[in-house]
Amino acid sequence: LAKTTQPISMDSYEGQEVNITCSHNNIATNDYITWYQQFPSQGPRFIIQGYKTKVTNEVASLFIPADRKSSTLSLPRVSLSDTAVYYCLVGLMNRDDKIIFGKGTRLHILP
Amino acid sequence: EAQVTQNPRYLITVTGKKLTVTCSQNMNHEYMSWYRQDPGLGLRQIYYSMNVEVTDKGDVPEGYKVSRKEKRNFPLILESPSPNQTSLYFCASSYRQGHGYTFGSGTRLTVV
Repeated sequence: LAKTTQPISMDSYEGQEVNITCSHNNIATNDYITWYQQFPSQGPRFIIQGYKTKVTNEVASLFIPADRKSSTLSLPRVSLSDTAVYYCLVGLMNRDDKIIFGKGTRLHILP
Repeated sequence: EAQVTQNPRYLITVTGKKLTVTCSQNMNHEYMSWYRQDPGLGLRQIYYSMNVEVTDKGDVPEGYKVSRKEKRNFPLILESPSPNQTSLYFCASSYRQGHGYTFGSGTRLTVV
């Protein structure tokens, strides 16, 4: 199983771009990288998923270098409502195995 | 609306009294999973199911049972709850393992 490492917490200010990096040195060939957002007492919410290079949707961008040993979630122009815990997961495709959430990154947006 | 529905949202029970937390999804997803979340420990997987009648243990299966008799339902059973099972529980589903999951709203369980 590919283990992930993220910063425990980050602070930023409204209107800034926030980048959260996740390390996954032993990522397997078929693994996808997925990011989730979780607000207190709510279930995690899917943000974005990618395999390599760059993926962008209406919420975020995901940058994955060629070696895929890390990935960076980029949140453009954050607001106070982006204060949450962000989880990076490395998921296995078509295999009977476990999906593990790490402890995530607690992002705190300041006014 | 596509969703994962858990019931109940809140439950207080006594030690040893069997309980079931239900989970249902309306997206025809094959993969379903249960997690518990505790302060400082993050989300830990209890059990998961790849499809009907196929279940397997996650990281913390002790004290829990699951069943997957129908594709849409994946109940979590605590045969003899203990106080260390006091936690926030989430059910999740996905059309295929490794893809984005849809999570339920959570069940906050307190065992006294």
